[in-house]
Amino acid sequence: KAGVTQTPRYLIKTRGQQVTLSCSPISGHRSVSWYQQTPGQGLQFLFEYFSETQRNKGNFPGRFSGRQFSNSRSEMNVSTLELGDSALYLCASSTSGRGRTDTQYFGPGTRLTVL
Amino acid sequence: EDQVTQSPEALRLQEGESSSLNCSYTVSGLRGLFWYRQDPGKGPEFLFTLYSAGEEKEKERLKATLTKKESFLHITAPKPEDSATYLCAFNPGNKLTFGGGTRVLVKP
Repeated sequence: KAGVTQTPRYLIKTRGQQVTLSCSPISGHRSVSWYQQTPGQGLQFLFEYFSETQRNKGNFPGRFSGRQFSNSRSEMNVSTLELGDSALYLCASSTSGRGRTDTQYFGPGTRLTVL
Repeated sequence: EDQVTQSPEALRLQEGESSSLNCSYTVSGLRGLFWYRQDPGKGPEFLFTLYSAGEEKEKERLKATLTKKESFLHITAPKPEDSATYLCAFNPGNKLTFGGGTRVLVKP
């Protein structure tokens, strides 16, 4: 079974621009979560989507947004980029997001550099 | 406030030198304690899920255990390929909260 895929793997943007990242979950997984990883803050939860609806949200500004499509693929968007947005953005998928056996599986990440 | 703390931050081991990593947590309702391994520049790779105090799981040289307040990841006779950052996390409603990780370096 193919794992979680993320595109692009690397991005370089300048301050003020916006960026869209894409994530394809494991086949059959309906929950997609996004995380930001930086050396200073570690791994932090951004938001989770299930059945095209945002179900959970972390403590990030409104510049960070996402959506999920009917095939469970997800995108996240960051508008008005700031230097501090430079990070590894990780997508994780799970079957339903509920229950004891639900484990999140991560993709390889998108490395975003903001200049 | 729910939180998880990992120690030590870094660990240097000689090949074959067994050791343990600690993950202590304070959560209002544990719905799973997860261990992941992460190599530089890559996404976390799932290792174990533990749900109940007393539970243990093993995979090759790794063994994870869980008590009511902490979890341990034991590395037995490590090899250089076990060098990675090991992350623990808990899951209060499908939003994983991660500890800071333990960077493990195994020297031949």
